[in-house]
Amino acid sequence: DIQMTQSPSPLSASIGDRVIVTCRASQSINTWLAWYQQKPGKAPRLLIYQASSLETGVPSRFSGSGSGTEFTLTISSLQPDDFATYYCLQSCFYPWTFGQGTKVEIK
Amino acid sequence: QVQLVQSGAEVKKPGASVKISCKASGYTYTSYTLQWVRQAPGQRPEWMGWINSDNGDTKYSQRLQDRVTITWDTSSNTAYMEMRSLRFEDTAVFYCATSTWTATLDSWGQGTLVTVSS
Repeated sequence: DIQMTQSPSPLSASIGDRVIVTCRASQSINTWLAWYQQKPGKAPRLLIYQASSLETGVPSRFSGSGSGTEFTLTISSLQPDDFATYYCLQSCFYPWTFGQGTKVEIK
Repeated sequence: QVQLVQSGAEVKKPGASVKISCKASGYTYTSYTLQWVRQAPGQRPEWMGWINSDNGDTKYSQRLQDRVTITWDTSSNTAYMEMRSLRFEDTAVFYCATSTWTATLDSWGQGTLVTVSS
């Protein structure tokens, strides 16, 4: 199975900070990488697909980049609604696998 | 508007089976995969498998394929996920989600909590 490893975990940040979350794959997954935001008791919400495409309705402060084995999710200016856990998901090989999550906490 | 509505919470004893439903509405695509993901308390989500809404093809996680069956009722646009021989460690929230042109899990249901307890 492809192992997905996220860093850092957790991440402490303040409102207005630029936040970067990294996801590494154990082998190349091209750009078959998505990012999700999950809040307690809720389903994950798709933010970014195919590494860098912004899902409809997602604020433009979210962006994704990378290919191969290294990917990043950037929040350009952290807002109160952004405190949550973020997961990456690879959909290149079965079984699809998630990273362990990065919880973005208030500093 | 795309919507996935799942059935309610379940409590089961070890060794029992559970069958969860997921009704899809608002899709303009004729073909998509309806996928299942579970998330144990405090853990990362785990992908379980999918069914193609158009032709009924299925794909399962090898880890779960002996205990999981995913079906699709075309007449009601409803998917079902049955898990057999439940264990304590199967306690989780189970989600259905669709995969369309994004090639990932785009729209999600609200989740169904399955508790395995004696």
